[in-house]
Amino acid sequence: QKEVEQNSGPLSVPEGAIASLNCTYSDRGSQSFFWYRQYSGKSPELIMSIYSNGDKEDGRFTAQLNKASQYVSLLIRDSQPSDSATYLCAVNMKVDRGSTLGRLYFGRGTQLTVWP
Amino acid sequence: KAGVTQTPRYLIKTRGQQVTLSCSPISGHRSVSWYQQTPGQGLQFLFEYFSETQRNKGNFPGRFSGRQFSNSRSEMNVSTLELGDSALYLCASSWVGETQYFGPGTRLLVL
Repeated sequence: QKEVEQNSGPLSVPEGAIASLNCTYSDRGSQSFFWYRQYSGKSPELIMSIYSNGDKEDGRFTAQLNKASQYVSLLIRDSQPSDSATYLCAVNMKVDRGSTLGRLYFGRGTQLTVWP
Repeated sequence: KAGVTQTPRYLIKTRGQQVTLSCSPISGHRSVSWYQQTPGQGLQFLFEYFSETQRNKGNFPGRFSGRQFSNSRSEMNVSTLELGDSALYLCASSWVGETQYFGPGTRLLVL
């Protein structure tokens, strides 16, 4: 069973704080990891991708990957009210053991609220 | 580059009818994936097409079907609509199936 688990939240942080979003996945062999942001009533928007262990920074966003622990996280520094959205973690996992075919599996998302 | 486009954006149907949704991927992208999103179930994978072939399929009944054309545009069809089919249907395109970019979605309401 392929699973991507996220903290269901909701997560509420004050403006200017660091928001930390977490995700675990079931397939140890996964190589590609993505974070999407989805505003209410809108479609998901890709904000980060990460492929190697360690940190990847893009502006106020930092993705962290630990393949040994099967864990990926997203940190949002200096959180702004405009960051209030649902954040979806997605992992590319093989469809079947032994198969070369993979697809993106999504977590159910963590709802983040940043209050002024 | 133009993004992913989906038509129509909104649709109201009644139970028992069928519906066809369309998706035009980003130019050069060959993979199109479809998802159903509802408040209770989150993002549910329907199927993925790559070079006109269905490459992956989710756990949806046979009433849900799709196809992809030689220009990579894709359609999905839902026959014999049920109330539970009311959802946001999202299409995502990618070059070979990894990094996916979503369209704005089609919001379907079944009455």
